[in-house]
Amino acid sequence: DAGVIQSPRHEVTEMGQEVTLRCKPISGHDYLFWYRQTMMRGLELLIYFNNNVPIDDSGMPEDRFSAKMPNASFSTLKIQPSEPRDSAVYFCASSPPGRGHGNEQFFGPGTRLTVL
Amino acid sequence: GQNIDQPTEMTATEGAIVQINCTYQTSGFNGLFWYQQHAGEAPTFLSYNVLDGLEEKGRFSSFLSRSKGYSYLLLKELQMKDSASYLCAIRWGNTPLVFGKGTRLSVIA
Repeated sequence: DAGVIQSPRHEVTEMGQEVTLRCKPISGHDYLFWYRQTMMRGLELLIYFNNNVPIDDSGMPEDRFSAKMPNASFSTLKIQPSEPRDSAVYFCASSPPGRGHGNEQFFGPGTRLTVL
Repeated sequence: GQNIDQPTEMTATEGAIVQINCTYQTSGFNGLFWYQQHAGEAPTFLSYNVLDGLEEKGRFSSFLSRSKGYSYLLLKELQMKDSASYLCAIRWGNTPLVFGKGTRLSVIA
């Protein structure tokens, strides 16, 4: 079975450009999470969805960040405009139904974003 | 606040046993996870504790004391491939997981 799929794996862009990160969760999972990981701050939750509906976006740093989940098999995280401090690894994770979002999360391989 | 404390780094010898501790705020505790993350890779699930006691899975065991707000991950018969970061993650109430900053374990020959 395919795990969580993320694209691109690496992204290098210039300050001010729009960046779109993509995620395909594991089929049948009803929770989807977007995280950002840096050395300084560790793994931080940005936003999560349940059944395609955004539940909590309090972790989104500012209005430059937005996320959508138009259907059960696809989600995007967009940064517009991007800034150098957005450089990080962005992970998408999904979890199956049963214990709500208390279930084990399965992580994608991540997108390493560098904003110059 | 939702604080999770883990040591930043640890070093241990191949074949030995190492214990990685995690302490957290007890109020509202609703489950603890341990994840392993190799450099440049995604975190992968190791264990889940919600009741007091020891959960064993091969060379890895995880212990929980809810009253003390304390957990540890025990790795036995260390191998070089165990060099990784180990993340403690807590669920409080009905909130999503909060991850600690992780403990970077180096296994040396």
